[in-house]
Amino acid sequence: GNSVTQMEGPVTLSEEAFLTINCTYTATGYPSLFWYVQYPGEGLQLLLKATKADDKGSNKGFEATYRKETTSFHLEKGSVQVSDSAVYFCALIFSGSARQLTFGSGTQLTVLP
Amino acid sequence: DTAVSQTPKYLVTQMGNDKSIKCEQNLGHDTMYWYKQDSKKFLKIMFSYNNKELIINETVPNRFSPKSPDKAHLNLHINSLELGDSAVYFCASSPHRRGETEAFFGQGTRLTVV
Repeated sequence: GNSVTQMEGPVTLSEEAFLTINCTYTATGYPSLFWYVQYPGEGLQLLLKATKADDKGSNKGFEATYRKETTSFHLEKGSVQVSDSAVYFCALIFSGSARQLTFGSGTQLTVLP
Repeated sequence: DTAVSQTPKYLVTQMGNDKSIKCEQNLGHDTMYWYKQDSKKFLKIMFSYNNKELIINETVPNRFSPKSPDKAHLNLHINSLELGDSAVYFCASSPHRRGETEAFFGQGTRLTVV
């Protein structure tokens, strides 16, 4: 079956540090890949997405590139802010008749001032 | 203007009670979902409906029953609530069109069973 593996948290960084959250997936075929973010007490919001190999998704200074050869979709940001503190989820979906988002376990990020 | 709205946001109830969580989406999407998020933030799909038809029914107790009166609504009924049902439940929707795969989530319902 399909699965998503994220680096375990929690991750604690100082403001302006570089962020990488690793994500790899196992799937038959070529899914669309997503990063969702969950701020404290809120629902999930789409952060960025990529629908085919070598696509780069970007939003709010975050980036992730769909790497088919390594089945990865690592999230990066060059300079994190305190407001980036949240839980980050990597996810995949297939555009089939029984589509469902498969999520990774989530990575808690805390950015200290 | 909320795209996916759930009610209530918080629900505290006693063991053995029956409760419902409502979900509505105004995005015109064909597919709606219920996810459960446990205390460790892990998200697990429970149900998926496409045009009012159940297409995914993961291994959940049959005390949980989804009801979709129309394409824009997917409610979750839970009978005989147990302590282990305490979690945050998220409703979501997505289009069923080729190339459009993003899911939109509600704000969640925090269910506490005491």
